[in-house]
Amino acid sequence: AQSVAQPEDQVNVAEGNPLTVKCTYSVSGNPYLFWYVQYPNRGLQFLLKYITGDNLVKGSYGFEAEFNKSQTSFHLKKPSALVSDSALYFCAVRDMDSNYQLIWGAGTKLIIKP
Amino acid sequence: NAGVTQTPKFQVLKTGQSMTLQCAQDMNHNSMYWYRQDPGMGLRLIYYSASEGTTDKGEVPNGYNVSRLNKREFSLRLESAAPSQTSVYFCASRPGSYNSPLHFGNGTRLTVT
Repeated sequence: AQSVAQPEDQVNVAEGNPLTVKCTYSVSGNPYLFWYVQYPNRGLQFLLKYITGDNLVKGSYGFEAEFNKSQTSFHLKKPSALVSDSALYFCAVRDMDSNYQLIWGAGTKLIIKP
Repeated sequence: NAGVTQTPKFQVLKTGQSMTLQCAQDMNHNSMYWYRQDPGMGLRLIYYSASEGTTDKGEVPNGYNVSRLNKREFSLRLESAAPSQTSVYFCASRPGSYNSPLHFGNGTRLTVT
């Protein structure tokens, strides 16, 4: 079965420092991977996706993600964190066994401290 | 451009009551989705509609029904609410390609007592 895992419930980073939010996946075939962000009392917003091509994907708000096939990971990164980046982040993978619907990770709460 | 609009924002039901959650999108998207979000569990797909006139079950369809009223509107009905259905419900839409991003509404927070 295909799955996605976000091993950290919460990540704390000081403002200005680099941040990483981890995601690992298990799929049969080629992975199609996504990151979304959720601000309090709001719906999810798309950040970036990996379908094919360059392993480093750039997205919205200065975020990027690195696809690593050998480690089956798709970690979200940002060189310099802002307090406004504090939110809930979700990784998702396309499920080829369920009519291409998304399987979602449990989410990682990112807290950026001033 | 309103995007995806969900009503109501909040709702409290008693066990056994029924209600319909409304969702409308103004982006001319073909596909629409209903998810529930529970703490520590990410999002789980309840039902989806790949195009007007079609609906399909997702991961957790039991206790729910849906109606794709037209291309814009996709409603979720709870016929007999149970405390296990206490959750935040999100409607989403996307143009058509499986790899195009989902656009989400702001959610309905439902409590069943």
